[in-house]
Amino acid sequence: DIVMTQSPDSLAVSLGERATINCKSSQSVLYSSNNENYLAWYQQKPGQPPKLLIYWASTRESGVPDRFSGSGSGTDFTLTISSLQAEDVAVYYCQQYYSTPCNFGQGTKLEIK
Amino acid sequence: QVQLQESGPGLVKPSGTLSLNCDVSGGSISSENWWSWVRQPPGKGLEWIGEIYHGGSTNYNPSLKSRVTISVDKSKNQFSLKLTSVTAADTAVYHCARGGIRSVTGLDYWGQGTLVTVSS
Repeated sequence: DIVMTQSPDSLAVSLGERATINCKSSQSVLYSSNNENYLAWYQQKPGQPPKLLIYWASTRESGVPDRFSGSGSGTDFTLTISSLQAEDVAVYYCQQYYSTPCNFGQGTKLEIK
Repeated sequence: QVQLQESGPGLVKPSGTLSLNCDVSGGSISSENWWSWVRQPPGKGLEWIGEIYHGGSTNYNPSLKSRVTISVDKSKNQFSLKLTSVTAADTAVYHCARGGIRSVTGLDYWGQGTLVTVSS
């Protein structure tokens, strides 16, 4: 199984500042046939299902604000929110969908400082 | 716009079987997609349960594999989850979602989720 580990577990950032969440996989999720990393990022607000933000490690889902960006390859990935807005308070999860079980990271709780 | 909606009993007795359906609207379950189940115990993180391809192939989380069955009913445009021999540890919000292993986007559409409590 591929184990996904996020850091930090929680994060407090001032409005307008940058927020950075890291995700590390225990094995590479890079598929050599198409050179894509099968890594997604989700945002979950209380009482709501997760919302897809980023897929293929760096492709923003349609409708997601461009302050959200994803980067990384192989085993190390980052979700960056360039200028934190109040509505970005949520728990963020990474997930690998390269091999089953398609495990999630433990989540990172993002709050306003 | 694809929409998913979970349905099923909200209370299951210990040692019983949890059964949930996921109705898909705005798209066909026969399209070339994986369809997944994910659960979230109260106050905790997300756990991938398993997935089914439109053709019927399945993948399950090894931690649940002996107890889980995912099936598809194309005539009803829905897929289903069965989890046997449940305990209190299976109490969670259960979500269905579109997508799965090596799909392009991961899990792009989610149901709202349904809370299933295991209690006598």
